[in-house]
Amino acid sequence: SQQGEEDPQALSIQEGENATMNCSYKTSINNLQWYRQNSGRGLVHLILIRSNEREKHSGRLRVTLDTSKKSSSLLITASRAADTASYFCATDGQGGKLIFGQGTELSVKP
Amino acid sequence: GAGVSQTPSNKVTEKGKYVELRCDPISGHTALYWYRQSLGQGPEFLIYFQGTGAADDSGLPNDRFFAVRPEGSVSTLKIQRTERGDSAVYLCASSLERGGGARTGELFFGEGSRLTVL
Repeated sequence: SQQGEEDPQALSIQEGENATMNCSYKTSINNLQWYRQNSGRGLVHLILIRSNEREKHSGRLRVTLDTSKKSSSLLITASRAADTASYFCATDGQGGKLIFGQGTELSVKP
Repeated sequence: GAGVSQTPSNKVTEKGKYVELRCDPISGHTALYWYRQSLGQGPEFLIYFQGTGAADDSGLPNDRFFAVRPEGSVSTLKIQRTERGDSAVYLCASSLERGGGARTGELFFGEGSRLTVL
């Protein structure tokens, strides 16, 4: 079963714009992770935020976490065509296994 | 190798046949995960191993699915009497940090095995 739900399901923007994706989850967590998947490939880890953190940055990525609302957001600034991919959040609240959401499909047009 | 290796990359089989999918994790990674991903969906958890033992197999859909990791390294996912609904990409991932209530760390994924059941 899926724990997280991302929205929007699909997002189309122009190069240079910012992209924001949201994730909501149901149970308490130790940490929340974001992954990226190019079409037909495996998933690649982007960033991990722990339950006692509120915000984290990595390059053009900014992740926020609100445990009171059980939600997280991923912001990609100054997007590039190469950012086109599916993005998934994943949480580890259920006994250590990592549970993924349904994903947001991002399309960045040059 | 440097990454997680999965074989075969593609497998086409007929309904009712037996299939084995292999995963070779990153050397030294104690945790190994199997997921299944259908088109347009997120990865669906199947099973995860801590060392040789299955720490959580709650995601296996039924008793046709079984996975082993006899020496704590390579794992094999076995599917008996395959059905058309088993068609999906089967993803394997490994991790250095343990799960089971401790902090679950970054997962390193293979490229997946695409299974098509005709």
